[in-house]
Amino acid sequence: DVKVTQSSRYLVKRTGEKVFLECVQDMDHENMFWYRQDPGLGLRLIYFSYDVKMKEKGDIPEGYSVSREKKERFSLILESASTNQTSMYLCASSEAGSVGYNEQFFGPGTRLTVL
Amino acid sequence: GDSVTQMEGPVTLSEEAFLTINCTYTATGYPSLFWYVQYPGEGLQLLLKATKADDKGSNKGFEATYRKETTSFHLEKGSVQVSDSAVYFCALSEVMKTSYDKVIFGPGTSLSVIP
Repeated sequence: DVKVTQSSRYLVKRTGEKVFLECVQDMDHENMFWYRQDPGLGLRLIYFSYDVKMKEKGDIPEGYSVSREKKERFSLILESASTNQTSMYLCASSEAGSVGYNEQFFGPGTRLTVL
Repeated sequence: GDSVTQMEGPVTLSEEAFLTINCTYTATGYPSLFWYVQYPGEGLQLLLKATKADDKGSNKGFEATYRKETTSFHLEKGSVQVSDSAVYFCALSEVMKTSYDKVIFGPGTSLSVIP
């Protein structure tokens, strides 16, 4: 059974803290993605990576950075957490090539609350 | 840019009722279209997709037809079950100026099916 796992289901942090969200996939996928999900807005792409050490900004990269040192692991970093980053964060992966044809597989999400 | 519009709901139906969730899109090119489903406490999973005009995607009794003339991809099911209660996301793939496409999601439609 293919899997995308995320390090935490729920996380509570304080304003200004550095936050790490980890994602691991076991499907040997080249592409990995970080989205945030907010009511009424759907999913918005933060960053994606198409290969180890390679990354591209998505629609809302401000306040976030990412790291991909190994193929199976993609980390999202909030350098200095703020209350407007309270959200559900979803990680996904897909095979190499166009996401127009290749299914994305999602993790269960991390609900982050910043106080 | 490209976008997806869908009714947000919540939609509440009785078991065995007919379901339609409307989805319309705006795109400059010829995107692939998707329906993803998110069951409570889980990540998104692909329900069905269509990659060109007049294609019909189908899965688990759900269907959607890619209608280029009306820029629509409405989701239908003839007889819903309690287990269909979930949030449904319409999405399209956008061909980016770089080599890498991305998926644009609608806001999601929450469906509750009552016995």
